Amino acid sequence: TQLLEQSPQFLSIQEGENLTVYCNSSSVFSSLQWYRQEPGEGPVLLVTVVTGGEVKKLKRLTFQFGDARKDSSLHITAAQPGDTGLYLCAGAVKTSYDKVIFGPGTSLSVIP
Amino acid sequence: EAGVTQFPSHSVIEKGQTVTLRCDPISGHDNLYWYRRVMGKEIKFLLHFVKESKQDESGMPNNRFLAERTGGTYSTLKVQPAELEDSGVYFCASSQLPGGITDTQYFGPGTRLTVL
Repeated sequence: TQLLEQSPQFLSIQEGENLTVYCNSSSVFSSLQWYRQEPGEGPVLLVTVVTGGEVKKLKRLTFQFGDARKDSSLHITAAQPGDTGLYLCAGAVKTSYDKVIFGPGTSLSVIP
Repeated sequence: EAGVTQFPSHSVIEKGQTVTLRCDPISGHDNLYWYRRVMGKEIKFLLHFVKESKQDESGMPNNRFLAERTGGTYSTLKVQPAELEDSGVYFCASSQLPGGITDTQYFGPGTRLTVL
């Protein structure tokens, strides 16, 4: 059974601070996604990383896929209150198509 | 373009009753997925439709759950009879191309089901 772990589970920081959240597994994934979910809404895709070691940037967000494709990190620079939300990582498991396995999420609160 | 919609947004029922959740995917999306998040746990895959056919239903918890997608448009997920452990948020997602993660899945807002 493939499992994804995320840390920290909860994070509360001041506006302007930097932070990193982690997504780890003992399994290898063909690719990995990061989502952000806000209360009362469904997850919204932020990025997909496919190649081991890949780094993608989305404004103040930097995503990295581990070399062994078992882990990933999300780094936010100069966090803003609008970054508040639940950050979910999801790994793709190869079946006849790419089945998605979600991690439990990191709840981020950015205080103005 | 309208996103994925789900109805109802909330449902409170008693144990033993039946509930039907509905999902309307983005128009033109052949792939439709159901997921569930129970309290304190991660979002878990339930099943995947390609048009009206079930591609993968390995995540369905038991035979109290029945999903349909007649005509390949909207989908329903019926729980009959509901049990306490069925409480949670049920998400629907749709995508245009086959394959889960290399194509963007668009999620609906979810239906929060509470079984008393």
